[in-house]
Amino acid sequence: AQTVTQSQPEMSVQEAETVTLSCTYDTSESDYYLFWYKQPPSRQMILVIRQEAYKQQNATENRFSVNFQKAAKSFSLKISDSQLGDAAMYFCAYRSPGTQGGSEKLVFGKGMKLTVNP
Amino acid sequence: DGGITQSPKYLFRKEGQNVTLSCEQNLNHDAMYWYRQDPGQGLRLIYYSQIVNDFQKGDIAEGYSVSREKKESFPLTVTSAQKNPTAFYLCASTPWGRRGTEAFFGQGTRLTVV
Repeated sequence: AQTVTQSQPEMSVQEAETVTLSCTYDTSESDYYLFWYKQPPSRQMILVIRQEAYKQQNATENRFSVNFQKAAKSFSLKISDSQLGDAAMYFCAYRSPGTQGGSEKLVFGKGMKLTVNP
Repeated sequence: DGGITQSPKYLFRKEGQNVTLSCEQNLNHDAMYWYRQDPGQGLRLIYYSQIVNDFQKGDIAEGYSVSREKKESFPLTVTSAQKNPTAFYLCASTPWGRRGTEAFFGQGTRLTVV
């Protein structure tokens, strides 16, 4: 079974600085998708960024980028120029490939609480 | 507007009662999921369904039941067999076959045992 591990339960960063959130996962599949979700105090889940395992290029969305190391099964999220609005819980997630007849389970890590200090 | 609607937002259950949480989507998504969120536990998968009239157990299915009679609806029943049901419950959906598409989430239901 696939597992996702976020080893740091909490982190803090100063406004305008950069922070990196770590995530590792375990799978025997070669084709899959990885996601980072943000959950602010409203508890609404918001997609931050996605990565396709067959793409070597790291995904980037404005101030958010990932460092995807497929061999190491590592998927870290870097937030540049941190803003107060970035304060939230961040979840790393793995999605199975869902090939015909297979399941498309979506598995989450335990999350990490990010605090942004002014 | 398309989206996922969970109701109610808050739900109170007496011990020994069954309660049903509603999840409806108008996104024409095939797959739907139920997650339970506890502090420090992340999102744990309860049940998921990829097509109508079919569903699979997730990691913590004991004490829960679901049905998928319509594509749009995936209600979750928390039975009296679930000994610690107080938690935040999230419903999600994804289109089938478009694997890179992210899951869309409802706004959640907070269930409390009184």
